[in-house]
Amino acid sequence: AQTVTQSQPEMSVQEAETVTLSCTYDTSENNYYLFWYKQPPSRQMILVIRQEAYKQQNATENRFSVNFQKAAKSFSLKISDSQLGDTAMYFCAFAQGGATNKLIFGTGTLLAVQP
Amino acid sequence: GAGVSQSPRYKVAKRGQDVALRCDPISGHVSLFWYQQALGQGPEFLTYFQNEAQLDKSGLPSDRFFAERPEGSVSTLKIQRTQQEDSAVYLCASSLEGSSIFYGYTFGSGTRLTVV
Repeated sequence: AQTVTQSQPEMSVQEAETVTLSCTYDTSENNYYLFWYKQPPSRQMILVIRQEAYKQQNATENRFSVNFQKAAKSFSLKISDSQLGDTAMYFCAFAQGGATNKLIFGTGTLLAVQP
Repeated sequence: GAGVSQSPRYKVAKRGQDVALRCDPISGHVSLFWYQQALGQGPEFLTYFQNEAQLDKSGLPSDRFFAERPEGSVSTLKIQRTQQEDSAVYLCASSLEGSSIFYGYTFGSGTRLTVV
């Protein structure tokens, strides 16, 4: 069974600084996808960034980038130039490729951006 | 509508009551998902519909949980004889096609169920 582990329950960063959130996963599959979702107090899960396992190049979306280490089964999220609006819960998620559509989430990291 | 709409936003139920949670997906979205998010945890998959067909219900925790999507649009998650362990946020998500996992889903803001 696939599992996703986020070992940092809480993180804090100063505005404009850079922070890295950790995520590891376990799977025996070769075809899968990885995601980072943001959940603000409104509770709506918002997709931040995604990565296909077969792509070696790390995904980047504006201030958000990932460090995908397939052999180590690691998928960390780097947020550059942190903004107050980045304060939220961040969840790492895994999805197996193919017919399965379910996401498997980690337990989340609460990120607080300090002014 | 513009997003996934869930109602009610909050629900308090006495232990043993039946509850019904509603999800209005984005118009035209084929796939619909329900997730359960306990306090301090990540969401956990409950069930998946493609149009009106329930293709995966492996995550439903007991036979007290039942989901339907009779016309392939609005979905209802029903919990019978609620227990305290059912207290959680129930998230609904929809996507345009069944194979669009890479593009992620659009989530609603959830229903927070508290069983007292």
